[in-house]
Amino acid sequence: NAGVTQTPKFQVLKTGQSMTLQCAQDMNHNSMYWYRQDPGMGLRLIYYSASEGTTDKGEVPNGYNVSRLNKREFSLRLESAAPSQTSVYFCASTGQGAGVSNQPQHFGDGTRLSIL
Amino acid sequence: AQSVAQPEDQVNVAEGNPLTVKCTYSVSGNPYLFWYVQYPNRGLQFLLKYITGDNLVKGSYGFEAEFNKSQTSFHLKKPSALVSDSALYFCAVRVPPGNTGKLIFGQGTTLQVKP
Repeated sequence: NAGVTQTPKFQVLKTGQSMTLQCAQDMNHNSMYWYRQDPGMGLRLIYYSASEGTTDKGEVPNGYNVSRLNKREFSLRLESAAPSQTSVYFCASTGQGAGVSNQPQHFGDGTRLSIL
Repeated sequence: AQSVAQPEDQVNVAEGNPLTVKCTYSVSGNPYLFWYVQYPNRGLQFLLKYITGDNLVKGSYGFEAEFNKSQTSFHLKKPSALVSDSALYFCAVRVPPGNTGKLIFGQGTTLQVKP
């Protein structure tokens, strides 16, 4: 019962390098989300995909891009990494059927990203 | 604008004592409220939610939360704390309108339960 799977779990990058964080869910959820977690700031939404084929910006989208590859997979790309993007990144999903408003989000275990 | 506040960075309680982790919110319309717990090096786990109905909501691991509309609060409670309850707790509110499922999170409260 995998739930939400994120890869890689850890990554160290140099400033200016690019990378893609992968996320897949096996719960047939419609909506998927990318957050970053920084000390004392809670979780901040980067991008989300309310349904397959759609993506929208969240609170802190600058420096990131996303792709909803299919219903299961939602990737986050850093085109040119900066030290300010050092963080823990979480993917989440929710929603079966027509409604997602009252359903909890399910989270992966995160990707710990350091940018030197 | 929607917001969630957790006024305490850390709550300390002795094992066996009752615990409360505070949360206040600001949202237009009816609030959908959630509590999550995070253990070290893990993702967030859902504890409980308030959508409508009884103001006292029961959730996982013996936790409950009290919704108070007049005080715009949704405090997390447990009658008897366990050392294993030590973790980071997040309150969250659903962002209206629409059906996107977006949440706004508080900054988190670290719960430390001492033996």
